Amino acid sequence: GAGVSQSPSNKVTEKGKDVELRCDPISGHTALYWYRQSLGQGLEFLIYFQGNSAPDKSGLPSDRFSAERTGGSVSTLTIQRTQQEDSAVYLCASSLDWGEQFFGPGTRLTVL
Amino acid sequence: KQEVTQIPAALSVPEGENLVLNCSFTDSAIYNLQWFRQDPGKGLTSLLLIQSSQREQTSGRLNASLDKSSGRSTLYIAASQPGDSATYLCAVTGRGAQKLVFGQGTRLTINP
Repeated sequence: GAGVSQSPSNKVTEKGKDVELRCDPISGHTALYWYRQSLGQGLEFLIYFQGNSAPDKSGLPSDRFSAERTGGSVSTLTIQRTQQEDSAVYLCASSLDWGEQFFGPGTRLTVL
Repeated sequence: KQEVTQIPAALSVPEGENLVLNCSFTDSAIYNLQWFRQDPGKGLTSLLLIQSSQREQTSGRLNASLDKSSGRSTLYIAASQPGDSATYLCAVTGRGAQKLVFGQGTRLTINP
């Protein structure tokens, strides 16, 4: 079946602009996660959604970052007023409850 | 705070050798441990998931073990092939938190 998909695959933006990154999880998966991978920081957790529970936002680095998950499926990660340090690969994953996490191909964000 | 360490950071071996990658974590109260591979410029591919109640998992030429009490896991790759060249990442989830905490990875090169 289809895996996790993300769009766009690459995004170049200017400092100060807002960006939206999209994630389509595996159909039927109840949990959805966002991670960020950068050269200096490795892979770090940002936020996750589990069913109808309140999301765990404990990994969001600042209030410029937000995410929503509509209808228990698609998720959008929004970064407002982008900064150069936001440049990274943003990875989305999904899982069935507490099970194995499956990752998408990622969105490479470059902030000029 | 959970910390995950992978040693070595890089490993280069000739084709056909058996090899072991190491992962250690500081908090033994984990829910599960997952091994991934990442090819350059790609997302993460899940290799094996070991639940906290399990000691090992096998998939083809891969075998992962878990010793929760000592905070260690190993990934054994038998009869290595050039196609196994990639970065291998270890990650754990804690009880009460589904987010993955990642190690920095081991970059593996198999020489023909």
